[in-house]
Amino acid sequence: TQLLEQSPQFLSIQEGENLTVYCNSSSVFSSLQWYRQEPGEGPVLLVTVVTGGEVKKLKRLTFQFGDARKDSSLHITAAQPGDTGLYLCAGAPVRGTGNQFYFGTGTSLTVIP
Amino acid sequence: EAQVTQNPRYLITVTGKKLTVTCSQNMNHEYMSWYRQDPGLGLRQIYYSMNVEVTDKGDVPEGYKVSRKEKRNFPLILESPSPNQTSLYFCASSSTGYSNQPQHFGDGTRLSIL
Repeated sequence: TQLLEQSPQFLSIQEGENLTVYCNSSSVFSSLQWYRQEPGEGPVLLVTVVTGGEVKKLKRLTFQFGDARKDSSLHITAAQPGDTGLYLCAGAPVRGTGNQFYFGTGTSLTVIP
Repeated sequence: EAQVTQNPRYLITVTGKKLTVTCSQNMNHEYMSWYRQDPGLGLRQIYYSMNVEVTDKGDVPEGYKVSRKEKRNFPLILESPSPNQTSLYFCASSSTGYSNQPQHFGDGTRLSIL
């Protein structure tokens, strides 16, 4: 069982559509991060959300941290082919073991021109 | 240029033949980590290190060893590789072990154990 579950696992949409990716856990996190990974490369950090209820915007991407700090969402408005990639949420649970870090199961997004 | 460098990028080897994947960072980061990435499972942490001579098990440490003798290097050792260790491996570093710090990743090592 993964500590961080993402949905959907795969998403294929047309350019210009909106989409939301979810990251859920039964554990409380002090912060959650979102990364994007492209083929042949390592993940790259997009954003860190720290406060419960926090909303952060990065151009067409909107990130939200749940009030209880157990979940997060990523919303993309008017998706473009350049948004194609694997999106990963990540963090360390408050009641975790030392400084162990967990990643979500990932959402593979394909935006069709 | 700030970077995390892993070598080799690709390796095909046979069961039982010891191998080492090297990882080096030039950002003077304290925290370094190894992950494996498998389809449908995301990235799972193998080992991490808070600083020199300090290492701890992650989620999937069985069959792996690490060492941190210098701040910049964090090699991953497979003493007796088995086919279930075929995977894509990533090394990462961050300035500290606090979970709100960004992790910087290498480009990955694709390992195939026959």
